This record gives sequence, C-alpha cells and structure tokens, in this order.
Amino acid sequence: DAKTTQPPSMDCAEGRAANLPCNHSTISGNEYVYWYRQIHSQGPQYIIHGLKNNETNEMASLIITEDRKSSTLILPHATLRDTAVYYCIVYTDKLIFGTGTRLQVFP
Amino acid sequence: NAGVTQTPKFRILKIGQSMTLQCAQDMNHNYMYWYRQDPGMGLKLIYYSVGAGITDKGEVPNGYNVSRSTTEDFPLRLELAAPSQTSVYFCASSSSTGYPGNTIYFGEGSWLTVV
Repeated sequence: DAKTTQPPSMDCAEGRAANLPCNHSTISGNEYVYWYRQIHSQGPQYIIHGLKNNETNEMASLIITEDRKSSTLILPHATLRDTAVYYCIVYTDKLIFGTGTRLQVFP
Repeated sequence: NAGVTQTPKFRILKIGQSMTLQCAQDMNHNYMYWYRQDPGMGLKLIYYSVGAGITDKGEVPNGYNVSRSTTEDFPLRLELAAPSQTSVYFCASSSSTGYPGNTIYFGEGSWLTVV
C-alpha cells in the first residue's frame, strides 16, 4: 500500500502559488520523499525530493515538517502547463504510487 | 543516452494472445519497474527488479511474468491476454533507492488494448 495520503484535487489561479500537501505519518528515518507529476498520459516527471531539510530547485520547493510526517510541494507561480496529477511518494525499493492530487490551474 | 525505451508504443491484442513488452535502459541502473495505469487511475506496480537475475512481485502481478537476464533489459510478458489488461504500461529505472540524485526515469509508455 502507498505510504502517503494526498487530497484528490485542488485548484489554483494562474500566477499564484500552488501548495500541495502530503501526509506520510509512517515514514522511516532514512526514507526520502519524492514528488512526481504526470501530465495527461505521459510518463511521470520528476519534480523534487528531500529527506528532512527544505529543498528548492528551478521547478518547486519542498517543505518537510520537523517530525517528517507531512510535506508540502510549492509551485511558486503556477501556470496553465502545471495542470497535472501530482504524486507524493515515500521511496523504498517498492516504488508505490498513491492516488495523487489532480491540480487544475485556471486563467 | 536514450534513457528508458519501451516498445511497442501501441498494440492491439486479441483475447488469449500473448505478447512481450520490451523495456531497455542505457544508464546502468540496477532497479527497474513495470507499472500499469488504467484510465483515470494511478500507477500500479506490477513487478520490479533490484538487479540482474532478481525479480519480485508488486501490487498487481497476476497475468504477467518478467525476467531480468541483463542489467539493461526488463521485458514484461502477457501470456493469455484478457480485456482487463487493457491499460497503459510504464517501465521505469533508477540507480538505487531514495538517495540524493537517484531520480527515477520513466519510459513514454506502451498503450495496450485487448479485444
């Protein structure tokens, strides 16, 4: 079973920040949190990953709580092309996807 | 590097036929995965492999078989195709689990229809 829980859908206005939450209360100390997204039926696209510190790259920021039981993916200035299903994954040898969050960015 | 290459991209099978979906990666990755994705649903893990000669079942292995004779290749075999196997199949690979920089690379998918 997936080790993460995400809301099924979210909306965001274009140009605004999109904040996507993820709960992973059973995460182990050495397990990383990865975020991927899938646009239409393309192969999932890597966004960002982290262990305990906050991370930022050219696509997004990842905020992980101090107890590591939850995290938030932040798209700082969402565009229409960010409309996709976003998956939060706790990465073990079995790479199990949850149901993800369908983000709809509107004009 | 080509990354993860899947063939064929599209295929129509008749019920009871057999076929193999091919997956190859040129990144010398140890870990390889097969997923299926039904319309409007998330990805489900079928089988995975942590290295040549080692395979293990995922969430939905019934009706499929895999082998891993080389590091590069991880074919998925459907023995007796059923309509329930109509889906998009994704192959993926990574160098290890959960360490910094170990991005998981996905293929572009193989669309399979069983009629």
